[in-house]
Amino acid sequence: DVQMTQSPSSLSASVGDRVTITCQTSHDINNYLNWYQQKPGKAPKVLIYDASKLEIGVPPRFSGTGSGTHFTFTISSLQPEDIGTYYCQRYDDLPPLTFGGGTKVEIK
Amino acid sequence: EVQVVESGGGLVQPGGSLRLSCAVSGFTFSDHYMDWVRQAPGKGLEWVGRSRNKINGYTTEYAASVKGRFIISRDDSRMSLFLQMNSLKTEDTALYYCARRYCSGGSCHGRIDYWGQGTLVTVSS
Repeated sequence: DVQMTQSPSSLSASVGDRVTITCQTSHDINNYLNWYQQKPGKAPKVLIYDASKLEIGVPPRFSGTGSGTHFTFTISSLQPEDIGTYYCQRYDDLPPLTFGGGTKVEIK
Repeated sequence: EVQVVESGGGLVQPGGSLRLSCAVSGFTFSDHYMDWVRQAPGKGLEWVGRSRNKINGYTTEYAASVKGRFIISRDDSRMSLFLQMNSLKTEDTALYYCARRYCSGGSCHGRIDYWGQGTLVTVSS
């Protein structure tokens, strides 16, 4: 199975800061990677799909890059409403889905 | 409007069984892959299993941690997905989400575009 390493596991940043989260996979997964945001007490919400495509309705301060085994998720200017936990998720036929361990984002 | 609503969670003893239901509305259920994803208290997301759509024969796959114990089924006439959980272990304690996979033009993607709010399963003696 493809192993996923997401880092950091948590971070604290100030409003307006640029925030970067990385996700590394043990095997080449092309661009089959999505990013989700989960706010406390809520279900996750997809922000980025296919590594770099912005889901409809998601603010453009969120972005994703990468291909193969190394992926990056960025919030260009952190806002108070962005607190929560972010997950990368790979997909393929078998096993269909695997999630990264998550990154908890807090405001300093 | 797409809606996904889980039910059936509760407290069950180790070794017991429980059946979760997921009622959906607002879209053509038979066109979509559906997943179960769980989240243990204070932990991350774990994929549990998937049901493909009608055109792909409703085939199912499971995570290694639940294979042989959990069974996914669906009833398109009732617009419902089910998760039969048998031989439950304490480590199955989690919030269980029912989730819709994005599908368009007969092709399904790897991203989940709608989630329910989850139903809590607690396995404890």
